[in-house]
Amino acid sequence: DAGITQSPRHKVTETGTPVTLRCHQTENHRYMYWYRQDPGHGLRLIHYSYGVKDTDKGEVSDGYSVSRSKTEDFLLTLESATSSQTSVYFCAISEWDKNIQYFGAGTRLSVL
Amino acid sequence: DQQVKQNSPSLSVQEGRISILNCDYTNSMFDYFLWYKKYPAEGPTFLISISSIKDKNEDGRFTVFLNKSAKHLSLHIVPSQPGDSAVYFCAARIGTSGSRLTFGEGTQLTVNP
Repeated sequence: DAGITQSPRHKVTETGTPVTLRCHQTENHRYMYWYRQDPGHGLRLIHYSYGVKDTDKGEVSDGYSVSRSKTEDFLLTLESATSSQTSVYFCAISEWDKNIQYFGAGTRLSVL
Repeated sequence: DQQVKQNSPSLSVQEGRISILNCDYTNSMFDYFLWYKKYPAEGPTFLISISSIKDKNEDGRFTVFLNKSAKHLSLHIVPSQPGDSAVYFCAARIGTSGSRLTFGEGTQLTVNP
């Protein structure tokens, strides 16, 4: 998994609660990404980071925020989880913007 | 607006035969294309890529073909093996937006022994 750890791997939570997913890398890559995977949609980019404290929105960013205070950690926060955010979330990293992206094993989130 | 489409949700082939997975795109600005493979409970893994300046790229049993005029790419696996059974995603990128990948919906390939 190219030195990428996602935690937790599984989470069940209730509507309206805050949730934070963590991605940790040991590769010292500059770029980090959060995707969600849903049936019929493939993977869709939520947010990405191009350096410490540098982030940008993806195509499905509403309801999500991110933070990157260290090169190795990229956090995805759902401020108030909704059932539509039930999904599998993948973190990815790449050394530079045009390099191949390598993915973590994913976090399965269920919002009841 | 699905800019990258994989119209076949599933494909079943016999071991030893050729698997052909297809992908269509609508955005003519895409200039780099990738295929990822995904096993259950794992993250996607990079398989092969192709730049828009080429029409073919090979890596062992895997070949990707790009037809820019038709906005179509395909992944050929020859010969197919049971271990190739996985979900295959095609993805596309616009050079000027470097890091943003647009993925198709995925195709579940099953290779039967």
